[in-house]
Amino acid sequence: SQQGEEDPQALSIQEGENATMNCSYKTSINNLQWYRQNSGRGLVHLILIRSNEREKHSGRLRVTLDTSKKSSSLLITASRAADTASYFCATDENQGGKLIFGQGTELSVKP
Amino acid sequence: DTAVSQTPKYLVTQMGNDKSIKCEQNLGHDTMYWYKQDSKKFLKIMFSYNNKELIINETVPNRFSPKSPDKAHLNLHINSLELGDSAVYFCASSQVPIQGQSPLHFGNGTRLTVT
Repeated sequence: SQQGEEDPQALSIQEGENATMNCSYKTSINNLQWYRQNSGRGLVHLILIRSNEREKHSGRLRVTLDTSKKSSSLLITASRAADTASYFCATDENQGGKLIFGQGTELSVKP
Repeated sequence: DTAVSQTPKYLVTQMGNDKSIKCEQNLGHDTMYWYKQDSKKFLKIMFSYNNKELIINETVPNRFSPKSPDKAHLNLHINSLELGDSAVYFCASSQVPIQGQSPLHFGNGTRLTVT
C-alpha cells in the first residue's frame, strides 16, 4: 500500500517566491525523507528527518515533521528556476523496513 | 564521478524479447536496489540486495530476475517482455540494508519501451 502522499500534485510559482509541499502518511514511521527528481534524471536525496525530530534545515530547504498528524512539509525559500523538479517524500514502514514513496509534487518555478 | 551508473539509458524492444539492464555503484555501499517508476511517477521497489544476498523481493513476475555478481553490481534481466513492463527502471544503493535509515543514491534510470 502506498505510504506517503504529497499535496499539491502540482505547484507553479514565480522565482523568488516560497514553495511549500506537504506529505501525509498512514502508519507510524522511524524516518521520513525528501527527494528531488529533475526531468529525465534519478532521484536525489535532500533531507532525512527522524521521528523524534520536528524540524530540519538544509540551505534554502526546511522540513517539518508532525508525527501526531502523520504529516511533513518541505519549504523551499526564495525559489529559483533551477528548483523546477518533482519532489517526493518517502517513509519507512516499521514492519517491512521498506522505503515507500509518494507520487510527488511537480514544482514549476517560472523566471 | 558517477556514483550509481546504469546502462542503457533507453531501451526499445518488442514484446517477447529478453533484455538486461546493468547497474554499478562506486560508493562502497553494501546494499543495492531496483525500483520501477510508472507513467504517473509512482516509484515502487522491486528488489533489494545486501552484499550479494537478496533481502527484498516484492511481488514481481518471475520474468524479472536480478543478479548481483559482486556488491558493486546489480543487474536486472527481464524475460518475455510485455507491454506493461514499459516504465523507467532505477537502480539505487544505500549504506545500510534497512531502508529509511540512510539516503538512497539513484542512477539516472533506464527508460524501457516495449512495443
